[in-house]
Amino acid sequence: DTEVTQTPKHLVMGMTNKKSLKCEQHMGHRAMYWYKQKAKKPPELMFVYSYEKLSINESVPSRFSPECPNSSLLNLHLHALQPEDSALYLCASSPGQLRKNTEAFFGQGTRLTVV
Amino acid sequence: GDSVTQMEGPVTLSEEAFLTINCTYTATGYPSLFWYVQYPGEGLQLLLKATKADDKGSNKGFEATYRKETTSFHLEKGSVQVSDSAVYFCALWEGDRDDKIIFGKGTRLHILP
Repeated sequence: DTEVTQTPKHLVMGMTNKKSLKCEQHMGHRAMYWYKQKAKKPPELMFVYSYEKLSINESVPSRFSPECPNSSLLNLHLHALQPEDSALYLCASSPGQLRKNTEAFFGQGTRLTVV
Repeated sequence: GDSVTQMEGPVTLSEEAFLTINCTYTATGYPSLFWYVQYPGEGLQLLLKATKADDKGSNKGFEATYRKETTSFHLEKGSVQVSDSAVYFCALWEGDRDDKIIFGKGTRLHILP
């Protein structure tokens, strides 16, 4: 199983809503990532969890709140978003640091629209 | 800091043409290098990878060789198909330092029948 599963696939939310994006992998990977991708742009790193600890936070606004409840799950909690936060949110996982000859696997993404 | 530079698109080719998409990188260590492909409306799929100098990654007729002397990882395919139309991202990962994957800006490829 080399799959990273993201739910939901599509999400429309108002600026006062609270919602969560979910990501799951069962490959035994110990690093999990959230990326944001705007149209016609490359993915931008938001957060990295390594061994369930937040290891990288790329100065993301606090209206985005990541959570890693266990090594297979990664959530992104959303609150009071702005229309400019509309994007494709990609989750990825990899075996983790110090592992050579490996790669990151990406999910299909959640397409988020903030209205 | 580390970075990836790839040729700007869009690149438009006829079916069966030869494809090259250039990618160069800047890194302080010895990164692993990747090509990811993104089809319309989908997430990223790993196309191929190379983890050390002179390694050649290959998949689905695509190839790329890790050239340390020129810090390059150019993507090539001998005969493209309409189904290859997508956005291609070159990326690097310094796995010995942290788990950060750095992407190039992407190259949009259009293949005409």
